[in-house]
Amino acid sequence: NAGVTQTPKFQVLKTGQSMTLQCAQDMNHNSMYWYRQDPGMGLRLIYYSASEGTTDKGEVPNGYNVSRLNKREFSLRLESAAPSQTSVYFCASTAVGYGYTFGSGTRLTVV
Amino acid sequence: RKEVEQDPGPFNVPEGATVAFNCTYSNSASQSFFWYRQDCRKEPKLLMSVYSSGNEDGRFTAQLNRASQYISLLIRDSKLSDSATYLCVVNGNNAGKSTFGDGTTLTVKP
Repeated sequence: NAGVTQTPKFQVLKTGQSMTLQCAQDMNHNSMYWYRQDPGMGLRLIYYSASEGTTDKGEVPNGYNVSRLNKREFSLRLESAAPSQTSVYFCASTAVGYGYTFGSGTRLTVV
Repeated sequence: RKEVEQDPGPFNVPEGATVAFNCTYSNSASQSFFWYRQDCRKEPKLLMSVYSSGNEDGRFTAQLNRASQYISLLIRDSKLSDSATYLCVVNGNNAGKSTFGDGTTLTVKP
């Protein structure tokens, strides 16, 4: 089925470790996004890519980097994980004026 | 003031009740509006778009009031399965960048 695929679904990291969250969409959407959602809280935008070749900071970019590898793929990297980055991470894609399609999320725990 | 504001609830209603949520937005230039549903520990899923003329999908009705800058979601004949968090989403005039409300939690009880 068409949609947004995120990997991994679960991850446990030790403080200071690095990792990359992968996201791919097959809907030919121009825009892609990374959000985090802490327990009982709303979505907070980390980074977004309005189109292939561009990336911009969102509300909470510190501690993260992104790469828009091509139109389909948008990865999120944690260079040195901290316990404050324990969260659920959602990737999403959209075309202007249309609603978002979200991936199923990555549940990250940093110990 | 947040760009998009929702009453967090929780709204606790009996099965069969009618319940309505509002969502206010601050950017008068906003162009498109949506309601999403998010189940516990799941990703948000598009429930419906909100058009100026209002739109209805079964038991769900969404409306937009541009003059007062709010959107609404009405759920009639509530089902247990309607229990979820409902997020409103407003697109700004930045290409593709939306603002999410923090959500309103609905619990439908037998």
